[in-house]
Amino acid sequence: DQQVKQNSPSLSVQEGRISILNCDYTNSMFDYFLWYKKYPAEGPTFLISISSIKDKNEDGRFTVFLNKSAKHLSLHIVPSQPGDSAVYFCAASARNNDKIIFGKGTRLHILP
Amino acid sequence: EAGVVQSPRYKIIEKKQPVAFWCNPISGHNTLYWYLQNLGQGPELLIRYENEEAVDDSQLPKDRFSAERLKGVDSTLKIQPAELGDSAVYLCASSLDAGELFFGEGSRLTVL
Repeated sequence: DQQVKQNSPSLSVQEGRISILNCDYTNSMFDYFLWYKKYPAEGPTFLISISSIKDKNEDGRFTVFLNKSAKHLSLHIVPSQPGDSAVYFCAASARNNDKIIFGKGTRLHILP
Repeated sequence: EAGVVQSPRYKIIEKKQPVAFWCNPISGHNTLYWYLQNLGQGPELLIRYENEEAVDDSQLPKDRFSAERLKGVDSTLKIQPAELGDSAVYLCASSLDAGELFFGEGSRLTVL
């Protein structure tokens, strides 16, 4: 049973446009959400996070939106750059047990 | 500051052979994780340590997998005997007080 779902295996976006990566979760106990970015042959690196007490968190070109009622979050990258081409993992945890559950990832291709 | 260090980066063995992976976390990080990542999947937790104590090993296949973190610093993950289905990337991560995870580059295992 996948508790964190990334239903789009891949996404292609023109350079300069907005990239929107989506994530759904099923466990209502999750209260902390993270996005990780992974290049080939490297480990995932932390990108941005959001607590359930917020509905938006922004860091430069990256913004994460959280819709608790829909159990949905999204990562917006604007403007998209060639270096953003990578696999993006959505992850979630319930603070009372600190176990972080990852989605399967979405491969983002930024087209020139 | 040095990141999470893992070795070896790559390992090829025949089935039924033993294999061991080593991880040195970021200095001062008390929480250490071993994750398994299969192709096209997100990282899946195998075991989590708080200092030298394994606080979550529910996903570790204990018939063939073992792990230790004797002095609460570096850790080893062992598989004996390895099976074909164990071919994957084994990721180590560390965090301070179960906060943001910092991943190593991973150890890619191929079982022939």
